[in-house]
Amino acid sequence: EVQLVESGGGLVQPGRSLKLSCAASGFTFSNYYMAWVRQAPTKGLEWVASITNSGGSTYYRDSVKGRFTISRDNAKSTLYLQMDSLRSEDTATYYCTRDLLFNYGSPFAYWGQGTLVTVSS
Amino acid sequence: DIQMTQSPSSMSVSLGDTVTITCRASQDVGIYVNWFQQKPGKSPRRMIYRATNLADGVPSRFSGSRSGSDYSLTISSLESEDVADYHCLQYDEYPYTFGAGTKLELK
Repeated sequence: EVQLVESGGGLVQPGRSLKLSCAASGFTFSNYYMAWVRQAPTKGLEWVASITNSGGSTYYRDSVKGRFTISRDNAKSTLYLQMDSLRSEDTATYYCTRDLLFNYGSPFAYWGQGTLVTVSS
Repeated sequence: DIQMTQSPSSMSVSLGDTVTITCRASQDVGIYVNWFQQKPGKSPRRMIYRATNLADGVPSRFSGSRSGSDYSLTISSLESEDVADYHCLQYDEYPYTFGAGTKLELK
């Protein structure tokens, strides 16, 4: 059974940092691209970042480029999102989700339960 | 970035209705569109992939179609468990983009 379990969310002041983790199991983690998707309260879904299966390439939405860093540890089957210089508009539930198989297939068949990040003074 | 214009934003529905939600892509995304269902406080669930394919475990009353740059999700004979938010996604290229979402509410 595929499982994605996020951790690391919480309340943080504007301008500070937070690091999210996502522990994956039930599939060959190193074969899949992985992604973070967020959802602000009462708003729609917003793709944040993706990383290739090897970790060699990363992709970001413009609003987080230069502030967020997606990374992975294939030996630990764990995905990360380092969030720096946080802003109030980053307040959202952050979901870890499985992206493409290598560079093929259809993304987001599996999602974690989400972790809430609140940026407020 | 590719825009996915989703309509309607909300819809008042009755049990047994046939419901259609549409997303229009601002440029060609081919078949690379998914549809997701999301219930309050829950993670999204993939319902349709590659525009027309039913995801595992999804009831056959759900279907996806494409006409040019318009992508539709249709729910035939709506059941109470289908009342939820629905989102489209294009994954033809990064940045992936979602539609703004459609909220189904019972009359």
